[in-house]
Amino acid sequence: DADVTQTPRNRITKTGKRIMLECSQTKGHDRMYWYRQDPGLGLRLIYYSFDVKDINKGEISDGYSVSRQAQAKFSLSLESAIPNQTALYFCATSPSSGPYNEQFFGPGTRLTVL
Amino acid sequence: GENVEQHPSTLSVQEGDSAVIKCTYSDSASNYFPWYKQELGKGPQLIIDIRSNVGEKKDQRIAVTLNKTAKHFSLHITETQPEDSAVYFCAATNNAGNMLTFGGGTRLMVKP
Repeated sequence: DADVTQTPRNRITKTGKRIMLECSQTKGHDRMYWYRQDPGLGLRLIYYSFDVKDINKGEISDGYSVSRQAQAKFSLSLESAIPNQTALYFCATSPSSGPYNEQFFGPGTRLTVL
Repeated sequence: GENVEQHPSTLSVQEGDSAVIKCTYSDSASNYFPWYKQELGKGPQLIIDIRSNVGEKKDQRIAVTLNKTAKHFSLHITETQPEDSAVYFCAATNNAGNMLTFGGGTRLMVKP
């Protein structure tokens, strides 16, 4: 979905390096999410934010941090990358009207930690 | 917390046949169950959803059924076509709606 963009699309890095993955959206949604996808494990929630001043931990937040710079921007950081953080990372957004809202996913960032 | 299990992990069908993917969930408070389709190289996209006050929902060739007593829900695709080939994810959430718990995914392959 071109309305949700992620940079970079692919990244190879070394153990111990700091990495930032960026997400931008033009959908005007308040809610943003970061997920991690591993084979056979589906999508697991890392962090989510319901507005610029709201940050919440998800299921697997250890080793990650986030920053919500603006309504449209939500960044995920790995302070000191390790090999088991090799995965496909997705950013998603959803509107805030009501509890059952479609989440719109970006194209993903494939991260490899050597 | 919620736990969602999805079966099978891979499914191969002949074009024109039906495909069924099943999910079970653990939290009886869950009341919203979306299904997402992920095509190669893309992010997941919502294809259908169902709320707990409904037992079945249909949209053209796809349908979803929900059994709240047994805590399971299923995706049914009829008259499958090659473009249905993708990874499908089920998910569940509760009233707060702030955390979707996803199943492990099913890779569907439709052979022409």
